[in-house]
Amino acid sequence: GQNIDQPTEMTATEGAIVQINCTYQTSGFNGLFWYQQHAGEAPTFLSYNVLDGLEEKGRFSSFLSRSKGYSYLLLKELQMKDSASYLCAVINSNYQLIWGAGTKLIIKP
Amino acid sequence: GAVVSQHPSWVICKSGTSVKIECRSLDFQATTMFWYRQFPKQSLMLMATSNEGSKATYEQGVEKDKFLINHASLTLSTLTVTSAHPEDSSFYICSARAQVAGDWYEQFFGPGTRLTVL
Repeated sequence: GQNIDQPTEMTATEGAIVQINCTYQTSGFNGLFWYQQHAGEAPTFLSYNVLDGLEEKGRFSSFLSRSKGYSYLLLKELQMKDSASYLCAVINSNYQLIWGAGTKLIIKP
Repeated sequence: GAVVSQHPSWVICKSGTSVKIECRSLDFQATTMFWYRQFPKQSLMLMATSNEGSKATYEQGVEKDKFLINHASLTLSTLTVTSAHPEDSSFYICSARAQVAGDWYEQFFGPGTRLTVL
């Protein structure tokens, strides 16, 4: 089967750094997405990785290791507005998007 | 960036009626669109993949006769919930896939439609 694993919930402090991990097992790989979703809203795109390594975009960075089937999303200088669910999704060889269940991130003052 | 719109944003209907939700890619052509459903505090659940000019591919457990999908053009896909019942109340989200460059695809989401069936 195909599956994406990520922690259900994480808690972090405002101003700190948090790393959200995602491991995947899919039939082929054509890229990995990270999305942010606030409650009651549709997901918004954060990052796309298809090659190994770290992609940095402002306060957010995403890392991919294809050999390990592993990615993480790194959020720096956390702000209260970063409280949301973070979804990891992988495109498999059939160009189907396989979704993780999401990680709910709670930011405390 | 690419924009995907959905209409209506929210709808309340009586049990037994049908509801149509439109999904449009405003500034790009989308050969593939996806329909998702999301219940409160749960992750996105893919309902079907819609390809322009062909029949939609439904995920296991999704009734194709109840959730009618039409992808008539490269910028419009519609989802019709037929004979809606209270258990169909959910947040319905569409997305459109765009090829940004080479093998780089990005999936753009519409704002969602909140359906409440009384």
